Amino acid sequence: NAGVTQTPKFRVLKTGQSMTLLCAQDMNHEYMYWYRQDPGMGLRLIHYSVGEGTTAKGEVPDGYNVSRLKKQNFLLGLESAAPSQTSVYFCASSPLGTGGANVLTFGAGSRLTVL
Amino acid sequence: DAKTTQPNSMESNEEEPVHLPCNHSTISGTDYIHWYRQLPSQGPEYVIHGLTSNVNNRMASLAIAEDRKSSTLILHRATLRDAAVYYCILRDAFGYYARQLTFGSGTQLTVLP
Repeated sequence: NAGVTQTPKFRVLKTGQSMTLLCAQDMNHEYMYWYRQDPGMGLRLIHYSVGEGTTAKGEVPDGYNVSRLKKQNFLLGLESAAPSQTSVYFCASSPLGTGGANVLTFGAGSRLTVL
Repeated sequence: DAKTTQPNSMESNEEEPVHLPCNHSTISGTDYIHWYRQLPSQGPEYVIHGLTSNVNNRMASLAIAEDRKSSTLILHRATLRDAAVYYCILRDAFGYYARQLTFGSGTQLTVLP
């Protein structure tokens, strides 16, 4: 099983360029999430989605946009990249329901460097 | 939302048990205790979770204090592959945070051969 797949795995951008990170899951999960992780830090939630066509802001949403046009895909966009967005980005998904017992499955990460 | 406190780092010898502590003194009655770990250059992976009773699975055991203000993740025989950052997280069963996980800095576990 593929689980959660992120593309690309690595990307280098210049300041001001735009790009989109793609997250795909094959587990029919309802919920999807985008996190960023800076060196030596824990994960911080950027945006999340509770179903197809819905998105919501997390802890650090500024400078990012997301879309969930299909249930299996969750896209993270940077319209005008800044050096402060240099980070490792993780996508995750989880199934509907089960409240506090809900478990997340993470992708392998996408390393983004903005020069 | 309730926070957790973990030591920044711990060391263990290979094939010995490891007890990773977590304090969560402001835990609410509906908070589940989750543990994830992150191996080097990988995404976090689920380890175990519990609400009130101790839990066991093939990866680890979770011991929850009677007052639920602390918990301990137990790796019964540490291997070199268990070297990772371990995150203790509270997950609210209801409300806004029901669908999110908030990660702190975790505990960096070093396993010595």
